Amino acid sequence: SQKIEQNSEALNIQEGKTATLTCNYTNYSPAYLQWYRQDPGRGPVFLLLIRENEKEKRKERLKVTFDTTLKQSLFHITASQPADSATYLCALEGFQKLVFGTGTRLLVSP
Amino acid sequence: GAGVSQSPSNKVTEKGKDVELRCDPISGHTALYWYRQSLGQGLEFLIYFQGNSAPDKSGLPSDRFSAERTGGSVSTLTIQRTQQEDSAVYLCASSLVGAGPGSPLHFGNGTRLTVT
Repeated sequence: SQKIEQNSEALNIQEGKTATLTCNYTNYSPAYLQWYRQDPGRGPVFLLLIRENEKEKRKERLKVTFDTTLKQSLFHITASQPADSATYLCALEGFQKLVFGTGTRLLVSP
Repeated sequence: GAGVSQSPSNKVTEKGKDVELRCDPISGHTALYWYRQSLGQGLEFLIYFQGNSAPDKSGLPSDRFSAERTGGSVSTLTIQRTQQEDSAVYLCASSLVGAGPGSPLHFGNGTRLTVT
């Protein structure tokens, strides 16, 4: 069956460290993968898109990698700040629509 | 602002009643999606509209759920004979083109539906 898996346990890190979140998928062959941020009571907000022919994408303190052989994307936040605390969702194209993972909650403590 | 607008933000209804949830997408966005998010869960795809094409209804959980999009703009999600398991946050999103080239989705803040 098709699955998109993100670590369901919250990730707790200290301010200033690098946070790394994982997105694994099975039985999809996505042309691209996206990452979103969701704060409590709000809708997800788009952060980054990476295409299948791209290994890595950066935007300010964010970096995304995409390994189509491992069927995995890694999402990194460098120099993390308490304001980065949120749930992060990966999403990929599945049969003409965007399919989301369950998200990983990130908690950055001062 | 020019974001996606959803109404109502909260809806409490009794089991068995019908509810209508409204979504105003960003002007000019041709694609519109409905997702459902239960507590602590990911986003569950419900339905997708793209331009004048027939909608992709493959995610609707039962025939109690229906949606329409009038004039290529506003969309209404209707749930008939609501059940307690329908309680969730219903999120609407729009994008400039369909899901093919990876256009980002712009989400509203959702309607929190509680069925008592």
